[in-house]
Amino acid sequence: GAVVSQHPSWVICKSGTSVKIECRSLDFQATTMFWYRQFPKQSLMLMATSNEGSKATYEQGVEKDKFLINHASLTLSTLTVTSAHPEDSSFYICSAQDPRLLTGELFFGEGSRLTVL
Amino acid sequence: GNSVTQMEGPVTLSEEAFLTINCTYTATGYPSLFWYVQYPGEGLQLLLKATKADDKGSNKGFEATYRKETTSFHLEKGSVQVSDSAVYFCALAQTGANNLFFGTGTRLTVIP
Repeated sequence: GAVVSQHPSWVICKSGTSVKIECRSLDFQATTMFWYRQFPKQSLMLMATSNEGSKATYEQGVEKDKFLINHASLTLSTLTVTSAHPEDSSFYICSAQDPRLLTGELFFGEGSRLTVL
Repeated sequence: GNSVTQMEGPVTLSEEAFLTINCTYTATGYPSLFWYVQYPGEGLQLLLKATKADDKGSNKGFEATYRKETTSFHLEKGSVQVSDSAVYFCALAQTGANNLFFGTGTRLTVIP
């Protein structure tokens, strides 16, 4: 099946710094990727939809200046958490849809655990 | 709106026990329903899915039937193994849409 890979899988940073998380589709081109956030013992919440070559679409309540999304190519989307604070500590997961498949199935990355000290 | 309500965990079972994780949903129209599994330290993986009423999704011994009359998609397995220990998420997607709506997840621990 299609493979989506995230990097880094975990990162620890100091409060006030910025952190970039990459999401790659390894064997297909994805015009759209999705970024989710998972708090402990809670469900995944969609943060934004990343569109190749255009601005991301953010869900209500998600600060677009805080969570910068760049989808510069058909195989790469990045999420940058700017001026990170401890409350940004979370598990961030990306997903993408393989347009070759008619099922509409989403493929998820391994996730990136961010800890802000 | 769309929402998924999932049985709260954690669930702890002995090996070879029967598993049921309840999932009910609220949605307009005819959504597709999914079960995803997240093993420790890994991302979500699609476990099974059903795209229309009365469909049964199955994989790795797990089954779930799309019940429109009860708006449910309960996950079952007849005999769990230690390797089934993971977090299970029920999810739905509207037809033609890419966005998934997830339940809160149920952590399953299977002990030998």
